[in-house]
Amino acid sequence: QVQLQESGPGLVKPSQTLSLTCTVSGGSISSGSYYWSWIRQPAGKGLEWIGRIYTSGSTNYNPSLKSRVTISGDTSKNQFSLKLSSVTAADTAVYYCARDPVAGTGFDYWGQGTLVTVSS
Amino acid sequence: SSELTQDPAVSVALGQTVRITCQGDSLRSYYASWYQQKPGQAPVLVIYGKNSRPSGIPDRFSGSSSGNTASLTITGAQAEDEADYYCNSRDSSGNPVVFGGGTKLTVL
Repeated sequence: QVQLQESGPGLVKPSQTLSLTCTVSGGSISSGSYYWSWIRQPAGKGLEWIGRIYTSGSTNYNPSLKSRVTISGDTSKNQFSLKLSSVTAADTAVYYCARDPVAGTGFDYWGQGTLVTVSS
Repeated sequence: SSELTQDPAVSVALGQTVRITCQGDSLRSYYASWYQQKPGQAPVLVIYGKNSRPSGIPDRFSGSSSGNTASLTITGAQAEDEADYYCNSRDSSGNPVVFGGGTKLTVL
């Protein structure tokens, strides 16, 4: 059974960098069959795709966040990470990591989500 | 802003059938996937592809598509189906992945 678990600080100060890690168990981020994505959801609002990484290390980002986002992977730890720079209160949200089959069959496994609050 | 458009709220009487729709240009090229999200929980995939259900999803959930519109149908809605529903698809424009704004389903 594939499991994803987000971890990282729950509180980040404005203008700083938000950093989260997703640890994957029961499956390998090196598999060529999947993208590994970050998705966020502000309280009471909808889902927003942030970006993804593929086994080769190639990445794609939401154009609206691209200038501030970096997603990287560590195959030795079976983890992938999100960095979002210059955060503001608008970046306060629950952040999810999720698996996305290359075949385009939807995000089939999600982490439980982690709340990140941007506040001084 | 979402490039997939969903009605913000829909209601259905217990045991009746409800259709939740999702519109967007990307749906002319890609199938929609549908997710159910209950308060405080992560989304759960309920429909993907032409009309496929992951293991464990009841067969009262089904999907269809026509032109730029995808639909999620719940036949015989149950109280436990009350949730937010999101569609998503791939996109060949600047944003590779798009989500709809979500539909809040109330079961009366």
